[in-house]
Amino acid sequence: GQSLEQPSEVTAVEGAIVQINCTYQTSGFYGLSWYQQHDGGAPTFLSYNGLDGLEETGRFSSFLSRSDSYGYLLLQELQMKDSASYFCAPGNYQLIWGAGTKLIIKP
Amino acid sequence: NAGVTQTPKFQVLKTGQSMTLQCAQDMNHEYMSWYRQDPGMGLRLIHYSVGAGITDQGEVPNGYNVSRSTTEDFPLRLLSAAPSQTSVYFCASSPYEGRPTQYFGPGTRLLVL
Repeated sequence: GQSLEQPSEVTAVEGAIVQINCTYQTSGFYGLSWYQQHDGGAPTFLSYNGLDGLEETGRFSSFLSRSDSYGYLLLQELQMKDSASYFCAPGNYQLIWGAGTKLIIKP
Repeated sequence: NAGVTQTPKFQVLKTGQSMTLQCAQDMNHEYMSWYRQDPGMGLRLIHYSVGAGITDQGEVPNGYNVSRSTTEDFPLRLLSAAPSQTSVYFCASSPYEGRPTQYFGPGTRLLVL
């Protein structure tokens, strides 16, 4: 079967660093994507790992270990506008979506 | 570029009514898909298309039809609306090569009474 696990909620302080973990089980593997979704908005693409290792895009980094079926999204220098839900989605184009992680940022 | 556009933004239907949700993209993307998102949940794939004339079912296709006569347009038809289809519907497109980045439309909020 296919499954996906992310924490339902994470709380952090403005300016801090936060890591959102993702473990998955899929039949076949084609990479791990990360999306951000603000309340009432559409998902927007953040990062993609097709191979093991770290991908860095500005304040956001994403890591993948295919042998451990594990990845994480690292957000640095948190800003209030980063308050949103974050989804990891394994797959190529027919993405599998979990319930996401709601990131709450406190001043 | 307008990106991915969806119409309408909001719709209220009565049980048994039919309607079509429109989706268009101007990025010449081969891959397009429809998702639904229920409150507090992730997205679930309804139907997808890898090019004009080619469509396939996703995770939750029952009660929905799609067609892809052009690269730009990918309408989703609700055949006979049911309250269980109350949801937010997102259309997405992606270039079917390279990194599978999906670009989403703003969504259609549908309420079925």
